[in-house]
Amino acid sequence: DTGVSQDPRHKITKRGQNVTFRCDPISEHNRLYWYRQTLGQGPEFLTYFQNEAQLEKSRLLSDRFSAERPKGSFSTLEIQRTEQGDSAMYLCASSLDTGGEAFFGQGTRLTVV
Amino acid sequence: AQTVTQSQPEMSVQEAETVTLSCTYDTSESNYYLFWYKQPPSRQMILVIRQEAYKQQNATENRFSVNFQKAAKSFSLKISDSQLGDTAMYFCAFLPVGAGSYQLTFGKGTKLSVIP
Repeated sequence: DTGVSQDPRHKITKRGQNVTFRCDPISEHNRLYWYRQTLGQGPEFLTYFQNEAQLEKSRLLSDRFSAERPKGSFSTLEIQRTEQGDSAMYLCASSLDTGGEAFFGQGTRLTVV
Repeated sequence: AQTVTQSQPEMSVQEAETVTLSCTYDTSESNYYLFWYKQPPSRQMILVIRQEAYKQQNATENRFSVNFQKAAKSFSLKISDSQLGDTAMYFCAFLPVGAGSYQLTFGKGTKLSVIP
């Protein structure tokens, strides 16, 4: 296994369009996180999955955002009706257990024009 | 809710010298983990070092060590013998244990430049 994989690496979309990102975690990791990072800031938590269950979602997360992790494997993050403020790097991370090292993917950079 | 504060937006150090990055946090939890992550330019974030709150001994990983002061809620990172490859953003992060929250909360980061 080569680590956490995210696709696409870059996405440019027009305002109002929907976008979907994919994350493939390290295969034996049951915990999966999505984060958003804007320039010059630390990653901001979006949501967390343990296996297929979405156990936590940021209160800052608009209802235009939805995430899934069918069968506890890969995960998708969808943003509906994108806005310019959604422009950011979207990071996925996975870990094996509590306190375990979270391995990050290289991220998907979203630009909304 | 937890907060993590990194008060040094940017720092620089001469190659081979020692530098200390500061981090303070606020929490009511008694059990948690603290981390330092490194994010090189245009590259993915990687773990530098981890500290478990119930362990009094400070963690060390080769040239990297921490000074964990639980009562003061302080968690600084010391980099010895700085190398050019240490140039990166460094993020301090907090993870509660058993509190029903799984958020890994990050500070805003410190940009470290190692000068030849």
